[in-house]
Amino acid sequence: EDKVVQSPLSLVVHEGDTVTLNCSYEVTNFRSLLWYKQEKKAPTFLFMLTSSGIEKKSGRLSSILDKKELFSILNITATQTGDSAVYLCAVTTSGTYKYIFGTGTRLKVLA
Amino acid sequence: GAGVSQTPSNKVTEKGKYVELRCDPISGHTALYWYRQSLGQGPEFLIYFQGTGAADDSGLPNDRFFAVRPEGSVSTLKIQRTERGDSAVYLCASSWEEGSPLHFGNGTRLTVT
Repeated sequence: EDKVVQSPLSLVVHEGDTVTLNCSYEVTNFRSLLWYKQEKKAPTFLFMLTSSGIEKKSGRLSSILDKKELFSILNITATQTGDSAVYLCAVTTSGTYKYIFGTGTRLKVLA
Repeated sequence: GAGVSQTPSNKVTEKGKYVELRCDPISGHTALYWYRQSLGQGPEFLIYFQGTGAADDSGLPNDRFFAVRPEGSVSTLKIQRTERGDSAVYLCASSWEEGSPLHFGNGTRLTVT
């Protein structure tokens, strides 16, 4: 059965800290991995990764994929209280375009 | 529209009743997805449409759940004989095409009493 596992489940840091969130997957015929941020309601798209070793970056956020070891990390540097959210990882596979989500990592950034 | 719109935002119903949840995707998006999210969990896949047809309905938990997208735009998720375990936030998402990033609506919070 395809599965996506995120760690840690929750994390509390102080403003200015750097955090690394992990997403590992076990799926047949991997196609892509996506990261989302969910604050209150709708998850919002952050990154889509398809190739190993190529870092995607947006401001203080960056992400990279390792298709050999079957995981991705999401880094947030110089965290701010506005980064407090649940970060979700999702994987798609060839053959079907459904997105399989992990449980998410709940990040709380303290002022 | 500017974003994915879901109505109602909240629905409270009694056990055994029938409910319909509506999703209006971003204009021009061909793929539409339904997910269910329980507290503390990630979104759980239910069904997705490419155009008017259900391309993958493997996530529908049982035959009480059904979804349609008759004109390839608006979709309705229908739940018959609701049970308390159906209580969750039902999220709809659309994408430009299959495989492109999903854009989510704010969800419908369904409470079955």
